[in-house]
Amino acid sequence: GQNIDQPTEMTATEGAIVQINCTYQTSGFNGLFWYQQHAGEAPTFLSYNVLDGLEEKGRFSSFLSRSKGYSYLLLKELQMKDSASYLCAVRRLGDYKLSFGAGTTVTVRA
Amino acid sequence: EPEVTQTPSHQVTQMGQEVILRCVPISNHLYFYWYRQILGQKVEFLVSFYNNEISEKSEIFDDQFSVERPDGSNFTLKIRSTKLEDSAMYFCASSEQLSDTQYFGPGTRLTVL
Repeated sequence: GQNIDQPTEMTATEGAIVQINCTYQTSGFNGLFWYQQHAGEAPTFLSYNVLDGLEEKGRFSSFLSRSKGYSYLLLKELQMKDSASYLCAVRRLGDYKLSFGAGTTVTVRA
Repeated sequence: EPEVTQTPSHQVTQMGQEVILRCVPISNHLYFYWYRQILGQKVEFLVSFYNNEISEKSEIFDDQFSVERPDGSNFTLKIRSTKLEDSAMYFCASSEQLSDTQYFGPGTRLTVL
């Protein structure tokens, strides 16, 4: 099996930065995905890391360290619409499936 | 931008009844998936489908579940005899290649009474 851990909840102020950490334990690591999920809606793809380092996409960046089994998603210039659950998901070599963490609920306050 | 679509958006059924959930994956995608999410819990993998056969399934996907690609565009999940614990949001997803990003449909909320 795989252990994927994320904080349950985080709160931040509009315009600020929030960093959501994800740690995982898996054999045959083959990629880590971040998805955003608004309540009652589908997960929507944010970013993908398979090599170590930082991937930047507008206000969102994601970092991966394979040796530490660690990733983070950085959300900059927070907006109210960023209030959502952020899901970390890991894929193993040879697997078709994604294994999801429980998600981190981010609340953005004015 | 192409999207995965799912119907119905909400299905209410009685325990023991059969339900079929429908999905239309993105048209050039070759890999199809079903996941479910019980309210307040994490997204869980059910099954993946490639080249007209199941390529991987979880322990949740028992004999009560089946998948089918009845034509060139639809991908269905059938639950033969629904149980109360099958109540969940069911998401279909697709990807172009195995290593590519999986894109999720809007989901079908299944309520079993």
